[in-house]
Amino acid sequence: EMVLTQFPATLSLSPGERATLFCKASETMHSELAWYQHKPGQAPRLLIYDASNRAPGVPARFSGSGYGTDFTLIISSLAPEDFAVYYCQQRGSWPLMYTFGQGTRVDVK
Amino acid sequence: QLQLQESGPGQVTPLETLILTCSLSGDSISRDKYYWGWIRQPPGRGLEWVASVFYGGDTYSRPSLRRRVGVSVDTSSNEFSLWLTSVTAADTAISYCARMGRSPTSQYYMDVWGKGTAVTVSS
Repeated sequence: EMVLTQFPATLSLSPGERATLFCKASETMHSELAWYQHKPGQAPRLLIYDASNRAPGVPARFSGSGYGTDFTLIISSLAPEDFAVYYCQQRGSWPLMYTFGQGTRVDVK
Repeated sequence: QLQLQESGPGQVTPLETLILTCSLSGDSISRDKYYWGWIRQPPGRGLEWVASVFYGGDTYSRPSLRRRVGVSVDTSSNEFSLWLTSVTAADTAISYCARMGRSPTSQYYMDVWGKGTAVTVSS
């Protein structure tokens, strides 16, 4: 079963700083990974799909990269509204299921 | 613009069946580009995919829940539903419905989400 490990668990940064989040997959899935942003009381939001493609309306300060088992989400300069929990997600091949990482919380330093 | 709205009982008694419904507005559930999914978040934990359905009837679900979970689409009402039998406290969660759009690599990602509905399993 696919396992996604995100690190660090928490990232404490100030507005304007760069955030680098990591996601490691237990199985290689080429570039088939997504990143979501989730704020308390709100719907999760798709940020990145296929590892590096920004979803419509997502600001350019969000970028994704990676292939195979190692993936990265970078927020180049944190805006006040970017403090949230971020999840990576992939679809495992067997069993066929969608798996989320445990999340990285980006909070205000 | 598509909007999704979950509805559910709020509280369910242990061992009963939970039924959640996701109503669509702004688009048709019958478009063959999308799957429709349910994702839940237990208190203090992360997101957990539960099940997905295609309007034509194709379904798949989380292996650990497969014996208890089902999903269906009602095209006449433009909504889809999840049911979960024999619920326990471990099924307490905020449940989200989502549209799953297909990417150029033929993967499906949750690109539109509802705001979620809280479900508590308690007697």
